[in-house]
Amino acid sequence: QSVLTQPPSVSAAPGQKVTISCSGSSSNIGNNYVSWYQQLPGTAPKLLIYENNKRPSGIPDRFSGSKSGTSATLGITGLQTGDEADYYCGTWDSSLSAGAFGTGTKVTVL
Amino acid sequence: QVQLQESGPGLVKPSQTLSLTCTVSGGSISSGSYYWSWIRQPAGKGLEWIGRIYTSGSTNYNPSLKSRVTISVDTSKNQFSLKLSSVTAADTAVYYCARERVTRAYMDVWGKGTTVTVSS
Repeated sequence: QSVLTQPPSVSAAPGQKVTISCSGSSSNIGNNYVSWYQQLPGTAPKLLIYENNKRPSGIPDRFSGSKSGTSATLGITGLQTGDEADYYCGTWDSSLSAGAFGTGTKVTVL
Repeated sequence: QVQLQESGPGLVKPSQTLSLTCTVSGGSISSGSYYWSWIRQPAGKGLEWIGRIYTSGSTNYNPSLKSRVTISVDTSKNQFSLKLSSVTAADTAVYYCARERVTRAYMDVWGKGTTVTVSS
């Protein structure tokens, strides 16, 4: 049972925008950095966002991250068919002294 | 650039111990800037954090797996390892190793993953 909750799925047409929420608590998101990962079918997860809102080199600015209180959000603008994937948030849980991933969200491009 | 590669048996019998190794290339596992982590993913399901180790040998484990998990590091071979005891079919999954930035809680380098099936 994950301590971070995400919607199971989101969808939009090409070119549109989607947002994915990640809800936690003060012991995880509230007091630690949030990261986001993209997992294309059959591949390993790939870091998309780190330290709440920073993008690694090579990640387009269509991807953005934000955090407020005990929730975080991933935004994807200008949606492309290649963005169809599962997306996970991640953070540290200070109470559990353990890492945590969100439940995952499947993005579908209509 | 740093690359990670998991290796180990793809099939483990129930009640036995699952053993995997992650080999780090292109960089030193002794870097003080990173933890070295294990994550798993059952087919069709989400990511589960298993645990991590620092170059000093300090570890953190998922509370739900803590009684069965041991993560160790061999700096001379630039490798770290996972042992999971008393496995059942529920431990069948793709196992990933990853590099985690210290105090930043993000994993920037992942191995490709290795599938482990628990079956007699």
